[in-house]
Amino acid sequence: KAGVTQTPRYLIKTRGQQVTLSCSPISGHRSVSWYQQTPGQGLQFLFEYFSETQRNKGNFPGRFSGRQFSNSRSEMNVSTLELGDSALYLCASSLDSPGQGDEQYFGPGTRLTVT
Amino acid sequence: QQQVKQSPQSLIVQKGGIPIINCAYENTAFDYFPWYQQFPGKGPALLIAIRPDVSEKKEGRFTISFNKSAKQFSLHIMDSQPGDSATYFCAASKYNYGQNFVFGPGTRLSVLP
Repeated sequence: KAGVTQTPRYLIKTRGQQVTLSCSPISGHRSVSWYQQTPGQGLQFLFEYFSETQRNKGNFPGRFSGRQFSNSRSEMNVSTLELGDSALYLCASSLDSPGQGDEQYFGPGTRLTVT
Repeated sequence: QQQVKQSPQSLIVQKGGIPIINCAYENTAFDYFPWYQQFPGKGPALLIAIRPDVSEKKEGRFTISFNKSAKQFSLHIMDSQPGDSATYFCAASKYNYGQNFVFGPGTRLSVLP
């Protein structure tokens, strides 16, 4: 079974631009979560989608948004990029709820650099 | 109250040693405590997880000890190997119609041959 895939793997943008990252979960997985990982703040939860609905959201500004499609693929968008948005963005998928016995599988991440 | 504290920040042990990584939390509503292992250039991978109704769980060379009253949990790696050199994250979550994981800051483990 193929793992979680994320595209692109690397991205360089300038301040003020917007960016869209894509995540394809493991086949059959309906829950997709997004995380931001930085050396200073560590791993921070962005949001979780299940069956095209956002089920939970972390403490990030509204510039960070996401969506999930009917095939469970997910995208996250960051508008008006700031230098501090430079990070590794990780996507994780699970069958249903990752805390209720369903293991959460992470993708390799998208490394975003904002200049 | 959402924070998970983790120590030490880095750890160096000899092959065969037993590194111990500790985590502490404040929110008593947390009901799921996983540990993740991350190698450079890779996403985190679930190692082992525990719920508050048990005090210890073993999977292979990895053991979680859980102290509910102290709100602490720890990861022990038995007979550590150089291949265990990675960054380890503890996390906590509370099921609330979906998940909102809180991660510790990570421990960088180096196992010397």
